[in-house]
Amino acid sequence: KAGVTQTPRYLIKTRGQQVTLSCSPISGHRSVSWYQQTPGQGLQFLFEYFSETQRNKGNFPGRFSGRQFSNSRSEMNVSTLELGDSALYLCASSLATDNTGELFFGEGSRLTVL
Amino acid sequence: GESVGLHLPTLSVQEGDNSIINCAYSNSASDYFIWYKQESGKGPQFIIDIRSNMDKRQGQRVTVLLNKTVKHLSLQIAATQPGDSAVYFCAETLSSPNDYKLSFGAGTTVTVRA
Repeated sequence: KAGVTQTPRYLIKTRGQQVTLSCSPISGHRSVSWYQQTPGQGLQFLFEYFSETQRNKGNFPGRFSGRQFSNSRSEMNVSTLELGDSALYLCASSLATDNTGELFFGEGSRLTVL
Repeated sequence: GESVGLHLPTLSVQEGDNSIINCAYSNSASDYFIWYKQESGKGPQFIIDIRSNMDKRQGQRVTVLLNKTVKHLSLQIAATQPGDSAVYFCAETLSSPNDYKLSFGAGTTVTVRA
């Protein structure tokens, strides 16, 4: 069974640009979450989608957005990139319909903003 | 009174010894807790979880202890092996609907000495 797949794995952008990251969850998983990981702030929740609906959102500015498609694949977008957006962006999927159960993480997309 | 284990950012353990990783969680309303392991270059991997109606749960070579009185969580790894070298995160959440986000701790880097 394929795991959570994130693309691209690495990317470099410059300030002011925008970026779109993609996540394919494990087959059958309808919940997809996104997390930002930095050395200073650790792992921070961005948002969670279930059946194409955003159920929860973390404390990030509106430059961070996401969506989920009918096949459960998800994308997140960051507009007007800032240096501080450099991070590992992790996607996780879950089979559970409630808020428990194992989250399966992908290997992440490492974004560097110059 | 009970002593609360101190969270340490790093832990060095002799191979074969037992490891104890401590975590203090922040939200007294949290009722679901998880430990994740993150190896270099990979996403976090689920280790074990525990609900607030339990104070101990055992897995294969791992035990999680929960002390709700002092909001403390610990992970015990028996007979630590080189493959256990990683960063370990505790996470907390509310299991109620529409609140599916994990709040992660700062992480403890475990290094196993041969």
